[in-house]
Amino acid sequence: DGGITQSPKYLFRKEGQNVTLSCEQNLNHDAMYWYRQDPGQGLRLIYYSQIVNDFQKGDIAEGYSVSREKKESFPLTVTSAQKNPTAFYLCASSPLGHWSVYEQYFGPGTRLTVT
Amino acid sequence: KQEVTQIPAALSVPEGENLVLNCSFTDSAIYNLQWFRQDPGKGLTSLLLIQSSQREQTSGRLNASLDKSSGRSTLYIAASQPGDSATYLCAVITNNAGNMLTFGGGTRLMVKP
Repeated sequence: DGGITQSPKYLFRKEGQNVTLSCEQNLNHDAMYWYRQDPGQGLRLIYYSQIVNDFQKGDIAEGYSVSREKKESFPLTVTSAQKNPTAFYLCASSPLGHWSVYEQYFGPGTRLTVT
Repeated sequence: KQEVTQIPAALSVPEGENLVLNCSFTDSAIYNLQWFRQDPGKGLTSLLLIQSSQREQTSGRLNASLDKSSGRSTLYIAASQPGDSATYLCAVITNNAGNMLTFGGGTRLMVKP
């Protein structure tokens, strides 16, 4: 089965701890993305990567870090510097090409709760 | 900066009704517009993608239209069913924003049996 997997589905952490969310895809897509969703709101882009070993900040990158060492993996670390980390985190991927054509495909999400 | 708005924020209809969800965007220079469905606690499922040169796309009981010049898109759902209950999100890729999707806040739809 081709798709995007995110683990774990639910994650609980104490305030002040860093936590890493996993995202893996076997769609052979070049581009990968991380979004954050707060209750009743749309998605906001945290980071994206178009190629291995390269990534760019999105609208709300502060307090987050990413790496892209392999094409199929794009882990997101939520650091203690993120002021309001409790949220639903979604990973997505897409083929590279002209943006008028290619869709983004989403994983099932990870719900992070920090207390 | 692109802003996407969806109205209404929530909608409750009886089964069988035809309904329209609205999406508006402030910058008409877009590459494409996508409609997604999100079930509670789940990821997003892509429903329809309309390229900037297209006027509409259809899939089964769903029809999405795009009027780029006025910054509007509508998602038409025919003969609604309880299984259509979900949150519907629209998102655009703007010409000067690379491959970044800008999302609306969503419309939460409830179809009552």
